[in-house]
Amino acid sequence: SAVISQKPSRDICQRGTSLTIQCQVDSQVTMMFWYRQQPGQSLTLIATANQGSEATYESGFVIDKFPISRPNLTFSTLTVSNMSPEDSSIYLCSVEFAGGHSSTDTQYFGPGTRLTVL
Amino acid sequence: QKEVEQNSGPLSVPEGAIASLNCTYSDRVSQSFFWYRQYSGKSPELIMSIYSNGDKEDGRFTAQLNKASQYVSLLIRDSQPSDSATYLCAVSHREGAQKLVFGQGTRLTINP
Repeated sequence: SAVISQKPSRDICQRGTSLTIQCQVDSQVTMMFWYRQQPGQSLTLIATANQGSEATYESGFVIDKFPISRPNLTFSTLTVSNMSPEDSSIYLCSVEFAGGHSSTDTQYFGPGTRLTVL
Repeated sequence: QKEVEQNSGPLSVPEGAIASLNCTYSDRVSQSFFWYRQYSGKSPELIMSIYSNGDKEDGRFTAQLNKASQYVSLLIRDSQPSDSATYLCAVSHREGAQKLVFGQGTRLTINP
């Protein structure tokens, strides 16, 4: 595994504004992902952040609302645009590491960003 | 029908007993299965991964996979109060962890 950090750890934002969340890994990884965890709910995949190309979004999530950057193999950003109270969630980045012999690839999560939109 | 289903609990187990957590999935093409533990206010941490039928043991934890019946379970032996957390079952359609689909999680409480 590796050390995954996210900034900010939490923020309180006003309706209609945007927030950019950063995810940094201390080693190069091919696959990075962004998830949302709404209050009392489980995790939902927003998109896969692809290095050198556009992110791949899951059903129900669009680039205009959640633009993603992946400039290199250790860093990604997720922007939550034109926020509304319904965007209040924990946003988590994750990275995938290849498993060794007889072990499957596994995904590890950053500490998360707790976003509250007023 | 949800793709990954778990009993939301809460599941209450006495200290020292075996805690049994279950998860069913609907898509037969699922290939890799993961259990994450999430403490309140924290991010999920990986407990176990399994992709072959049968049992996989790691310390006090045992993951069990039955692809024919489409269920995966997690057993925690000698349960400790520190095991109290929400346990998330996650499923991937490929070998590896890409595009994980999570269940709702089971809240486990270990009573001293």
